[in-house]
Amino acid sequence: DTEVTQTPKHLVMGMTNKKSLKCEQHMGHRAMYWYKQKAKKPPELMFVYSYEKLSINESVPSRFSPECPNSSLLNLHLHALQPEDSALYLCASSQGEAGWEKLFFGSGTQLSVL
Amino acid sequence: AQTVTQSQPEMSVQEAETVTLSCTYDTSESDYYLFWYKQPPSRQMILVIRQEAYKQQNATENRFSVNFQKAAKSFSLKISDSQLGDAAMYFCAYRRAGTASKLTFGTGTRLQVTL
Repeated sequence: DTEVTQTPKHLVMGMTNKKSLKCEQHMGHRAMYWYKQKAKKPPELMFVYSYEKLSINESVPSRFSPECPNSSLLNLHLHALQPEDSALYLCASSQGEAGWEKLFFGSGTQLSVL
Repeated sequence: AQTVTQSQPEMSVQEAETVTLSCTYDTSESDYYLFWYKQPPSRQMILVIRQEAYKQQNATENRFSVNFQKAAKSFSLKISDSQLGDAAMYFCAYRRAGTASKLTFGTGTRLQVTL
């Protein structure tokens, strides 16, 4: 199993809603990542978890709250988002956090904030 | 800060022909890694090829090869015998060695493959 599974594939939410994005992998990877990708732009790193601990937070607004309940799961909790937060949210995982590691990506959640 | 530049927003190649995508980067580090990722319409980013900066030999993966020029900070991707399935957005990416380092992507090159 070399898949990173993200749910839901699409999400529409209002600015007052609370929702969560879910990411799962069963490759035994110990590093997991959240990226944000706006249309026609490259992915931008948001968070990195290594061994279930937050390793990198790229100064992301607090309306985005990551959670890593175990080594296979990564969640992104969303609250009071703005329309400019509409984007493709990509999850990725790697064996470890070393620079040479190959990242495996999911197909993303397309988020629209109304 | 590290930057990655892809100067070709779009490229086109005929099926079975060869195409080269350009990438330059800027870093003060001596130990780092370079990657080419492909993003087809399915949106899933897929690793195409990886190069270690300390290796002089250019990486190859089947029809994909790179021309790594460390002094010039250049890292181009050559796709030989192009296939329709190669049509995608291609991102060059940089990551310094060690832990807690971020993968920095270039702006991407959209590759079209024509019959």
